Amino acid sequence: GESVGLHLPTLSVQEGDNSIINCAYSNSASDYFIWYKQESGKGPQFIIDIRSNMDKRQGQRVTVLLNKTVKHLSLQIAATQPGDSAVYFCAENPLNNAGNMLTFGGGTRLMVKP
Amino acid sequence: GAGVSQSPSNKVTEKGKDVELRCDPISGHTALYWYRQSLGQGLEFLIYFQGNSAPDKSGLPSDRFSAERTGGSVSTLTIQRTQQEDSAVYLCASSLGGVEKLFFGSGTQLSVL
Repeated sequence: GESVGLHLPTLSVQEGDNSIINCAYSNSASDYFIWYKQESGKGPQFIIDIRSNMDKRQGQRVTVLLNKTVKHLSLQIAATQPGDSAVYFCAENPLNNAGNMLTFGGGTRLMVKP
Repeated sequence: GAGVSQSPSNKVTEKGKDVELRCDPISGHTALYWYRQSLGQGLEFLIYFQGNSAPDKSGLPSDRFSAERTGGSVSTLTIQRTQQEDSAVYLCASSLGGVEKLFFGSGTQLSVL
């Protein structure tokens, strides 16, 4: 079946560098995408979202890029800090799901080296 | 303000026992979701409540799983005759409606021995 997946399970970056976390999706009917951050022992925390009518959206130190042609989503974190260390999940909401459900990818662990 | 609250935070049970997991959503949130997260895995959708509408139970893995939401607020997820494969973190989330900006609780870590 169609699903959301991630290219890299673990990403290690130096403090202060930029991080890029990638996500591939295969459901062309998806129209809404979200990135969540999950720290150890906590529930996922909303970071940023984007609709399919956009290709870029910026937040505070984060940018989400959407390439519908190749069905690719990325999360860019500028000037990565130790507090950014967590598991990051992308999720999609297919149009044909009537808005009820998010399908999550497997997650990428971001490790920030001091 | 208070976020989504789940209890207990940890639950250890014996195979075959029933368990109840509780979720208190954010006040005023009409949508409530249950997800399951196995070790090192992504989140698996279980069930969705929206207002007074019939819940979407399409994600429940077996008839041992059930959930209810009383008064449009507190929800309880019940697992009957627990099995070892039920061991996971059970996460509850709520929103003002639909999947946009879901707020998650910290989850209940269920361990079935």
